[in-house]
Amino acid sequence: SQTIHQWPATLVQPVGSPLSLECTVEGTSNPNLYWYRQAAGRGLQLLFYSVGIGQISSEVPQNLSASRPQDRQFILSSKKLLLSDSGFYLCAYHDQGLAWPEAFFGQGTRLTVV
Amino acid sequence: DAKTTQPPSMDCAEGRAANLPCNHSTISGNEYVYWYRQIHSQGPQYIIHGLKNNETNEMASLIITEDRKSSTLILPHATLRDTAVYYCIVTPSNTGKLIFGQGTTLQVKP
Repeated sequence: SQTIHQWPATLVQPVGSPLSLECTVEGTSNPNLYWYRQAAGRGLQLLFYSVGIGQISSEVPQNLSASRPQDRQFILSSKKLLLSDSGFYLCAYHDQGLAWPEAFFGQGTRLTVV
Repeated sequence: DAKTTQPPSMDCAEGRAANLPCNHSTISGNEYVYWYRQIHSQGPQYIIHGLKNNETNEMASLIITEDRKSSTLILPHATLRDTAVYYCIVTPSNTGKLIFGQGTTLQVKP
């Protein structure tokens, strides 16, 4: 079966510190991968998506970057965190085949920048 | 911007049907209507999707108007565990690039 793992579940980081959030997918090959962010009291916003290894598209300008070093691994990073980077970060994947039309989301990482 | 409009909140009595409306008057011919829900502090969960015909699965039913400008998600027998934010999204099929609006916060009350 297909599963998605995202860690850590919660994170408190000081302003100016680096960030690395990791997401891995099991049970599928060559998935489309996505990073979303949800600020407090707001809807989800797509940050990055990837259709293959090393292929990253950014949806909004920001202080973050993403990388896909392996087929089923997606990493969200920052060199220096800002207070505005606080939020709930969600990784998602979508099977490029037609068997599953929906996207599957991880359980999220709640990041607090202090 | 999201292409859908939903009421910000709704209440429903436990055991009754919950009918969640969504307006998508600018939907394109190749776009589907998807519904996801997000229980507090969890990732969104897919519920159902449709193009023009009404759809039903083990979770819910989706009723799409003939002109496709609006739809209704129906939870036939709401339980307390159905309390969540429900998102109506229009998008071409086979994509995970989803534009989320504010959704409808459904509160199921005992």
